[in-house]
Amino acid sequence: DAMVIQNPRYQVTQFGKPVTLSCSQTLNHNVMYWYQQKSSQAPKLLFHYYDKDFNNEADTPDNFQSRRPNTSFCFLDIRSPGLGDAAMYLCATSRRQGGQPQHFGDGTRLSIL
Amino acid sequence: SQQGEEDPQALSIQEGENATMNCSYKTSINNLQWYRQNSGRGLVHLILIRSNEREKHSGRLRVTLDTSKKSSSLLITASRAADTASYFCATDAYNFNKFYFGSGTKLNVKP
Repeated sequence: DAMVIQNPRYQVTQFGKPVTLSCSQTLNHNVMYWYQQKSSQAPKLLFHYYDKDFNNEADTPDNFQSRRPNTSFCFLDIRSPGLGDAAMYLCATSRRQGGQPQHFGDGTRLSIL
Repeated sequence: SQQGEEDPQALSIQEGENATMNCSYKTSINNLQWYRQNSGRGLVHLILIRSNEREKHSGRLRVTLDTSKKSSSLLITASRAADTASYFCATDAYNFNKFYFGSGTKLNVKP
C-alpha cells in the first residue's frame, strides 16, 4: 500500500546531541511537511517542501533544519536538541494541487535525556 | 495566527449518541479539512469542504461550513467506541500547500 513511513517510531537522544528523523513516501506527492506536536496540542507546522522549494515557518527554531534529497525522502535534523524539543514529529505529504488532503505517517516520538 | 480554535476541548458521550465539535478560524480560506488522530498515531484525513460549499456528508460524518462566521462543525452520528480519538480541523489560509490546525477536540465514546 502507498504510504508515508517514519523511522524510527521512538527516538531517544541526549541534550545537545544532534538527531535526524526520517520520512519516506511511496505516494509520489510533490509536497512534504514536518510538524511538531506536543502532548494534547495541535500539530505545529515547522516547514514544508514544494518539490525542492523549501519553506520555513517564521517561528521555527534555528536549530531545526530539513533536507529533501529526492521526491521520496525527507529528513528533519535537530542540531542541538533541548528539553523543550521533546515531542511527536509528524511527516505528511500532499499532491501539488490545492485542496488536497494530507497523508500522515505515524510519527516519531522524540525524548531528550 | 491562522490557527483555529475548537470546542469543546473534550467531549464524553455514550455509544450511539451523536457528537458535535466546532472549529473557528481567523482568516479567509480556500478549504477546511477535518482529521482524526488516535492516541500515539498520525492524523487521518476525514473530509474536506471547500469555501463555496455549505455542507458535506461522508458516511456517518456531516460537516458544515459558515464562511461568514468563519466556523465549521463536524457531526458524527451514531457514535461507536472506535470513534474515540482527537479531532482536528485544518485550514489553508489561501496557500494551497500550507495548513494550520486547530486546537482539537478529544472525543471519548463510552461503550
